[in-house]
Amino acid sequence: DTAVSQTPKYLVTQMGNDKSIKCEQNLGHDTMYWYKQDSKKFLKIMFSYNNKELIINETVPNRFSPKSPDKAHLNLHINSLELGDSAVYFCASSQSTGIGYTFGSGTRLTVV
Amino acid sequence: GDSVTQMEGPVTLSEEAFLTINCTYTATGYPSLFWYVQYPGEGLQLLLKATKADDKGSNKGFEATYRKETTSFHLEKGSVQVSDSAVYFCALSPRNSGNTPLVFGKGTRLSVIA
Repeated sequence: DTAVSQTPKYLVTQMGNDKSIKCEQNLGHDTMYWYKQDSKKFLKIMFSYNNKELIINETVPNRFSPKSPDKAHLNLHINSLELGDSAVYFCASSQSTGIGYTFGSGTRLTVV
Repeated sequence: GDSVTQMEGPVTLSEEAFLTINCTYTATGYPSLFWYVQYPGEGLQLLLKATKADDKGSNKGFEATYRKETTSFHLEKGSVQVSDSAVYFCALSPRNSGNTPLVFGKGTRLSVIA
């Protein structure tokens, strides 16, 4: 009955690899987000999708490519991983007609 | 643009002490305001929220009042416990809309010692 679930929880990979993080929400929300939390705990928005359409794309390297196959899923694919990509990535969702945001438990990505 | 400023941490308190974590914001229009908590090794949990001026959000003994005149949303708790040790984030939702991303402050780490 998890509301926003992300997989995997931990991901350790080598520089130059390509990896994906998956996110699913069962709340019926129409908007989903990816946030990056750096080592100092600062949270920064990366992408936002509303009903499968990209609405926000902050200054993120184009090695990062989000994909939303339907409004319940928002995946994040990262190409050519770099050391600086090491962070915790959070998925979140909300409903455009309401005020409430639900976060997943995060994916800790470590690039070695 | 919209922004949130919260007090720098870390904050270390003894059990049963009074807690205040300051938060001020800059926004156009009428944002909604939130406090989120992140326990060690876990994700973000909503602690409380307020959607209009003078609203008070409360949960688990924590309170915060939306003060439009001072653009503030300070978090308070009368008696902290060791289990309150976590990182606390103040956040706003611009324009009171559910499909704009939350803007977060930098977080304040709280450590409560027995």
